[in-house]
Amino acid sequence: DIVMTQSPDSLAVSLGERATINCKSSQSVLYSSNNKNYLAWYQQKPGQPPKLLIYWASTRESGVPDRFSGSGSGTEFTLTISSLQAEDVAVYYCQQYYNTLPLTFGGGTKVEIK
Amino acid sequence: EVQLLESGGGLVRPGGSLRLSCAPSGFTFSNYAMSWVRQAPGEGLEWVSSISGSGGRTYYADSVKGRFTISRDDSKNTLYLEMNSLRDEDTAVYYCAKFVTLSGGDYFDYWGQGTLVTVSS
Repeated sequence: DIVMTQSPDSLAVSLGERATINCKSSQSVLYSSNNKNYLAWYQQKPGQPPKLLIYWASTRESGVPDRFSGSGSGTEFTLTISSLQAEDVAVYYCQQYYNTLPLTFGGGTKVEIK
Repeated sequence: EVQLLESGGGLVRPGGSLRLSCAPSGFTFSNYAMSWVRQAPGEGLEWVSSISGSGGRTYYADSVKGRFTISRDDSKNTLYLEMNSLRDEDTAVYYCAKFVTLSGGDYFDYWGQGTLVTVSS
């Protein structure tokens, strides 16, 4: 199984400041034949289901604000919120889909307002 | 608008059974693989099971293999999860989630609101 490790577990950021969340995979999720990283990011607000933010490590889902961006390749990835808004308070999860059995998620990073 | 509506959750004793259903709308159900993902109280996300768009291929997490069965009825536009021999550790919110492809095994573009399964004596 590919183990996904997120850091930090939680972070508190002031409104308008940058939030950075890291995700490491236990093996590369970069498929060499198409040069794509098989990694997605989700946002889960309290009491709600997860919502897709980013796929292929850096492609923003339609309707997702451009303050959210994904970067990285191979085994190390980052989700950045460039200017934190109050509505961004949530838990964020990364997920690899390089190995479909099993699909695995990171443990989550809780983002709060400082 | 894509919607996924789960039902069937509830309180069940250890060793008992439960069947979850998911009723999708807003897309052509038969064209997409589907999955169940669960979240124990206060915990993260755990993939449980997936089924291809044709229904011909099913996949399970080791933690539920042999106890849970995923199925779909495209004529009724419904996804199911039959859960047997339930254990305390199966207590979770169970989400129905849609893959972006027919074969699945990729990421989820839509999730239902979830249905709570509580296993307790």
